[in-house]
Amino acid sequence: KNEVEQSPQNLTAQEGEFITINCSYSVGISALHWLQQHPGGGIVSLFMLSSGKKKHGRLIATINIQEKHSSLHITASHPRDSAVYICAVRSLGPGGGADGLTFGKGTHLIIQP
Amino acid sequence: DVKVTQSSRYLVKRTGEKVFLECVQDMDHENMFWYRQDPGLGLRLIYFSYDVKMKEKGDIPEGYSVSREKKERFSLILESASTNQTSMYLCASSFARPTPEQYFGPGTRLTVT
Repeated sequence: KNEVEQSPQNLTAQEGEFITINCSYSVGISALHWLQQHPGGGIVSLFMLSSGKKKHGRLIATINIQEKHSSLHITASHPRDSAVYICAVRSLGPGGGADGLTFGKGTHLIIQP
Repeated sequence: DVKVTQSSRYLVKRTGEKVFLECVQDMDHENMFWYRQDPGLGLRLIYFSYDVKMKEKGDIPEGYSVSREKKERFSLILESASTNQTSMYLCASSFARPTPEQYFGPGTRLTVT
């Protein structure tokens, strides 16, 4: 079973700061997802990646397959970025709950004005 | 836009009651998933289904069952609710392999008293 670790668990920053959230996993994967969850529960998929780097607006996600590590960066952070950010992986072959994802515990981000 | 809807946002039930949580998706997705989310534990997969009438156990299936009679609808059933099933329940759906992105519903916060 894949173990997914996120850091930090909690992060408070000032508006405009550059934010980095890290995710590491223990077993080879076919894909890694970054998800965002706002208060109230709804989860939105931000990125799905299996190699390299993806960018969407102020969000950048990178993955290093050899290192089994991914980072989510937020540039010019804003209070509306305050949310829980969750890393999730789909493992290669059996052992990852088949098509189900294995999730990190999430990073609770607060951006203060 | 993909839409995944869940029958209730908030639900309060008594210990021993039979509870049905319904999930409907409108994108003709093959895969559907039920997760529960608890503080400090993150999201965990309860059951998933990759086709009508097909189901697979996830990481924590005990105390739950599921039903998928139609492609668009996936039901989670608590045969006899217990207080340790108080949680946030999230439904998700996706197309089939190889690396499908999952779309999440808004969640149902279930309290069992």
